[in-house]
Amino acid sequence: DAKTTQPNSMESNEEEPVHLPCNHSTISGTDYIHWYRQLPSQGPEYVIHGLTSNVNNRMASLAIAEDRKSSTLILHRATLRDAAVYYCILRATMDSNYQLIWGAGTKLIIKP
Amino acid sequence: DSGVTQTPKHLITATGQRVTLRCSPRSGDLSVYWYQQSLDQGLQFLIQYYNGEERAKGNILERFSAQQFPDLHSELNLSSLELGDSALYFCASSTILASYNEQFFGPGTRLTVL
Repeated sequence: DAKTTQPNSMESNEEEPVHLPCNHSTISGTDYIHWYRQLPSQGPEYVIHGLTSNVNNRMASLAIAEDRKSSTLILHRATLRDAAVYYCILRATMDSNYQLIWGAGTKLIIKP
Repeated sequence: DSGVTQTPKHLITATGQRVTLRCSPRSGDLSVYWYQQSLDQGLQFLIQYYNGEERAKGNILERFSAQQFPDLHSELNLSSLELGDSALYFCASSTILASYNEQFFGPGTRLTVL
């Protein structure tokens, strides 16, 4: 399975945009890019996913590089509630072995 | 609230014992996944069930087993417990089989083996 690389931690100020990078240089053509986040003492929660085109939803935006070897999760206006560990995960679309391979993620710290 | 429930919330037991963790998926979700999260680590996929049948296995030890019942709830059985089994165990559910579908996670069961 293709793996992802993320910075261990990032800091941002409240009410400013946050760009969380993810490298996935061995991504295959059928791998979706997923982002989940895990708030302290909670289970992970889905944020967004995409394949080739940039994606937007109420929580965030996902910018995918043209060669798909990297992507960036964008939180447009971070709040204290966005402090969490953010996981970038790849998963093949038609793979019968349905595993999400989780890395260590990026711990996002929001400063008031 | 994701709609996925897990019981118990906390479990403290001794080495060598056996425990059962329970998960009720969101209403209508047929697919259930089990994950293990050790301290400050990412999640490790253990096993997936779909409509009562095992569909995928990850890094699940032979001492661990799971099943999904006709009412779609699932149980994860951990036996001959070791200190290293202490972790958070999460259950997730999704509507369909495909793993690119969004997974909804429960609050987890924190297992402490003494």
